[in-house]
Amino acid sequence: DIQMTQSPSSLSASVGDRVTITCQASQDINNYLNWYQQKPGKAPELLIYDASILEIGVPSRFSGGGSGTDFTFTISSLQPDDFATYYCQQYNSFWTFGQGTKVEIK
Amino acid sequence: EVQLLESGGGLVQRGGSLRLSCAASGFTFSNYAMTWVRQAPGKGLEWVSTITSSAGNIWYADSVKGRFTISRDNSGNTLFLQMNSLRAEDTAIYYCAKSMAAAEGTFDYWGQGTLVTASS
Repeated sequence: DIQMTQSPSSLSASVGDRVTITCQASQDINNYLNWYQQKPGKAPELLIYDASILEIGVPSRFSGGGSGTDFTFTISSLQPDDFATYYCQQYNSFWTFGQGTKVEIK
Repeated sequence: EVQLLESGGGLVQRGGSLRLSCAASGFTFSNYAMTWVRQAPGKGLEWVSTITSSAGNIWYADSVKGRFTISRDNSGNTLFLQMNSLRAEDTAIYYCAKSMAAAEGTFDYWGQGTLVTASS
């Protein structure tokens, strides 16, 4: 089974900060990597698919990169609406989520 | 507008059974793979099961294999999850999710979830 390791598990940041989350796969997953945002009490929402493609309607301050085993997710300028938990997810072999990164207000 | 509405959750005794439904609208249901994902209280997301558009292929997580059965009714636009021999660790919110076109592994729409509690 492919394991996905996200880091950090949580972070505190201020509005306007640049935030980067990393996701490492236990084996090569090509670019079969998605990022989701989940707010408390809500369902996850797709932000980025295939490692770097922004879902329609998602603000351009969100971006993703990487391939193989190492991936990054970046918010270029953190907005109040961005405080949430973010998950990576691979689909190269079955489906596995990372453990999540909670982005909190500093 | 794509809508996914789960139902069927509730409190069930350990060892018991429950059948979840997910009513889909706003898209051609029969064209898309569908998936169940669960989230235990305060925990992360866990993939449970996926079924392709015509039910030709079905996959399960090891944690539910042999106990859960995914199915779909394309004429009624509904996805199901039959859950048997429920355990305490099955307690979670269960989400149904639609796959993107041509990418079974990417979930572009999610329902709001239904809570399953397996308790003694």
